[in-house]
Amino acid sequence: EPEVTQTPSHQVTQMGQEVILRCVPISNHLYFYWYRQILGQKVEFLVSFYNNEISEKSEIFDDQFSVERPDGSNFTLKIRSTKLEDSAMYFCASTKGTQPQHFGDGTRLSIL
Amino acid sequence: GENVEQHPSTLSVQEGDSAVIKCTYSDSASNYFPWYKQELGKRPQLIIDIRSNVGEKKDQRIAVTLNKTAKHFSLHITETQPEDSAVYFCAATVTDSWGKLQFGAGTQVVVTP
Repeated sequence: EPEVTQTPSHQVTQMGQEVILRCVPISNHLYFYWYRQILGQKVEFLVSFYNNEISEKSEIFDDQFSVERPDGSNFTLKIRSTKLEDSAMYFCASTKGTQPQHFGDGTRLSIL
Repeated sequence: GENVEQHPSTLSVQEGDSAVIKCTYSDSASNYFPWYKQELGKRPQLIIDIRSNVGEKKDQRIAVTLNKTAKHFSLHITETQPEDSAVYFCAATVTDSWGKLQFGAGTQVVVTP
């Protein structure tokens, strides 16, 4: 069964540094999402992306965040200047255009 | 926006017993309600979902019920097994095609042999 893949599995970064999280959605999927989960808390929506533009974003997704689909397969989340509170598990998800959403294994981001 | 409340936060059951997790939602326009199971350090995995045009759906030992009038939906696991131990999240969305998911806070289920 096709899966959403995410790299790296764990990223450790100094506060203030830029970080890019990468995702390869399922190949025939059209809608892409980023969610985050702070340790012990619920999964929170960050942003959705369709047809090369942002469809919706949450209050968390401020000017420090950006998303991109640089080619036909990758979907990236960039945090420009990381803060301690950005430490979380970041999940990418995708869907064909009808629910459900399929989640990747996540990237654990640790900000020091 | 949509707000999803989930109860209980933890649930301990004996193997073989049933487990029930309840969620309420605030936006009457919500029309798709998935349940995800998350094992420690792993991805959320869809276990069952229901759309607003049905009241109940069953898949082997797992069932979901939806009460649109009361704006709540529940997950029922029968004949629980140790491998059912995990965190379960309910979610809701107003767009059953591509909309964002609003998650509940999660329920830690522990099944003891």
